[in-house]
Amino acid sequence: EVVLTQSPATLSLSPGEGATLSCRASETVSTYLAWYQQKPGQAPRLLIYDASNRATGIPARFSGRGSGTDFTLTISSLEPEDFAVYYCQQRTKWPPAFGQGTRLEIK
Amino acid sequence: EVQLVESGGGLVQPGRSLRLSCVASGFTFHDYAINWVRQSPGKGLEWVAGISYNSYTILYADSVKGRFIISRDNAKNSVYLQMNSLSGEDTALYYCVKDNSGYTNFDFRWWGQGTPVTVSS
Repeated sequence: EVVLTQSPATLSLSPGEGATLSCRASETVSTYLAWYQQKPGQAPRLLIYDASNRATGIPARFSGRGSGTDFTLTISSLEPEDFAVYYCQQRTKWPPAFGQGTRLEIK
Repeated sequence: EVQLVESGGGLVQPGRSLRLSCVASGFTFHDYAINWVRQSPGKGLEWVAGISYNSYTILYADSVKGRFIISRDNAKNSVYLQMNSLSGEDTALYYCVKDNSGYTNFDFRWWGQGTPVTVSS
């Protein structure tokens, strides 16, 4: 079973700053990795699929990169609405698995 | 617009059963696989079960295999999750999630708002 480890657990930044979130897989998942954003009381929303493809309607300030075991989600300039919890998810190996999340909070 | 509306959650005693429903709209339902994913404070996000567009492929997480049954009715644009022998470990918010193809590729493109399940005496 693939284990996804996200770091840091919590990231404290100010609006306008850039953010880099990491997701590391316990074995290679090729590029079949997605990123989700979840705000309180809401369902997860897909941001990035297959490592680097923005989902429909996702602003260009969100970007993803990586392959194999190491992946990053970058938010170029934080907007107030970007402060949320972010999860990665792999779909290469059964069962599909999620990371434990990174909380992006306002500094 | 894609919509997935879950229902059927609630408070249930350990060992009892519950049936969740998910009604879909805004897309050609019979062309897509559907999954259930749950979220609890202790375990985070956990995939539970998935069913292909034609019900030929049905998959379960080990934690629910033998207790949960996923099914669909394409005429009603609906997916169901029959949950039996429930325990406190099953307490979670259950999401209905649309796949990006007819097969269970675990490409979770669209999520419903979830229905809460609490297992407690």
